[in-house]
Amino acid sequence: AQSVTQPDIHITVSEGASLELRCNYSYGATPYLFWYVQSPGQGLQLLLKYFSGDTLVQGIKGFEAEFKRSQSSFNLRKPSVHWSDAAEYFCAVGPSGGYQKVTFGIGTKLQVIP
Amino acid sequence: GAVVSQHPSRVICKSGTSVKIECRSLDFQATTMFWYRQFPKQSLMLMATSNEGSKATYEQGVEKDKFLINHASLTLSTLTVTSAHPEDSSFYICSARGTGHNEQFFGPGTRLTVL
Repeated sequence: AQSVTQPDIHITVSEGASLELRCNYSYGATPYLFWYVQSPGQGLQLLLKYFSGDTLVQGIKGFEAEFKRSQSSFNLRKPSVHWSDAAEYFCAVGPSGGYQKVTFGIGTKLQVIP
Repeated sequence: GAVVSQHPSRVICKSGTSVKIECRSLDFQATTMFWYRQFPKQSLMLMATSNEGSKATYEQGVEKDKFLINHASLTLSTLTVTSAHPEDSSFYICSARGTGHNEQFFGPGTRLTVL
């Protein structure tokens, strides 16, 4: 069964500092991996996704993530955090192709301090 | 492109009543739609998957008679919470996937409060 682990429930960073949110997945084959962001009371917005090819993927809002098969990880990074980045971030994994379900991690809440 | 809307965005109802939530794909044909539930400070839990014209497939532990899902067209799916109780209060989010899409597109969510 597929699963996602986000080990950090809550992270606080200073504005302008770098950010890395961790994500580890469990999946038997080549996964599709996603990072979503959710602002309070809002739906999900896709930040980036990995299907195949270059293991370093660029997303919106200056985010990037690196797929490391050997570590079963897909960590999200941003070199300089802005106050508007404060939100909840969800990592998700799904099977390649098809119309099957995506499994979400528990989420990491990011707090940005001045 | 690939926009999904939900209506209503918020609903408050009395215990025992039924509530219908609509999920629409605005600019693509959604062959598959998903309904999720999110409790405060928790992740999204998949409730059911529906393919257009077919019965929904419910996840284990989800009462199909309580959470009625209809996917009658390629742009509309509805979730009806029947005989709602306070424990059904939650944030319900739908997503949709069309032919050729490798990802789901999420709606903005519906906040249900049952008094």
